[in-house]
Amino acid sequence: DQQVKQNSPSLSVQEGRISILNCDYTNSMFDYFLWYKKYPAEGPTFLISISSIKDKNEDGRFTVFLNKSAKHLSLHIVPSQPGDSAVYFCAASASPGNTPLVFGKGTRLSVIA
Amino acid sequence: GAVVSQHPSWVICKSGTSVKIECRSLDFQATTMFWYRQFPKQSLMLMATSNEGSKATYEQGVEKDKFLINHASLTLSTLTVTSAHPEDSSFYICSAKIGTTYGYTFGSGTRLTVV
Repeated sequence: DQQVKQNSPSLSVQEGRISILNCDYTNSMFDYFLWYKKYPAEGPTFLISISSIKDKNEDGRFTVFLNKSAKHLSLHIVPSQPGDSAVYFCAASASPGNTPLVFGKGTRLSVIA
Repeated sequence: GAVVSQHPSWVICKSGTSVKIECRSLDFQATTMFWYRQFPKQSLMLMATSNEGSKATYEQGVEKDKFLINHASLTLSTLTVTSAHPEDSSFYICSAKIGTTYGYTFGSGTRLTVV
């Protein structure tokens, strides 16, 4: 059973508009969440993260929102740029110990010029 | 920042042969290394967790005799795919924890094609 779910396999957005990527999780033990960007045949690149004690974290064009009661988080990219086109993975961790990340299946974002 | 160097970036091998993938932490000590596998259009699935100096812990469904993991030092972990078959063709990625915080760093991945 998938503990981290990204239900939208793909998303197309026009350049300059907002991209919203969603992620849901089922494990209430998760207390840290990360978003990664990935190109084919490359390792994931860290984008932004959020601790469960916060509901929002912002870094430049990227903002992550966390709704703990709904077990839902989202990544907002604004304004979207063609260079943002990639697969975005949501990941979660249960503790700061040596636990691995659990990944969603990813959402392919296409930003159209 | 913390960097994990993964080699090779791609490899093609014949069925029945073995392939070794290396991950080196360049500027930090990786006590724990995670190995993931990604099939096309799928998530990164954890295969195993390796701790320096001890046996790796494998996820359910991952054959430990087929995917040999060695983590003999704090800067090197290796994954050997033994007697490779075409269904082992996948993208393999290593990842290490950075310190005691939530930071993770990833290798650049290895695209394995078994023919």
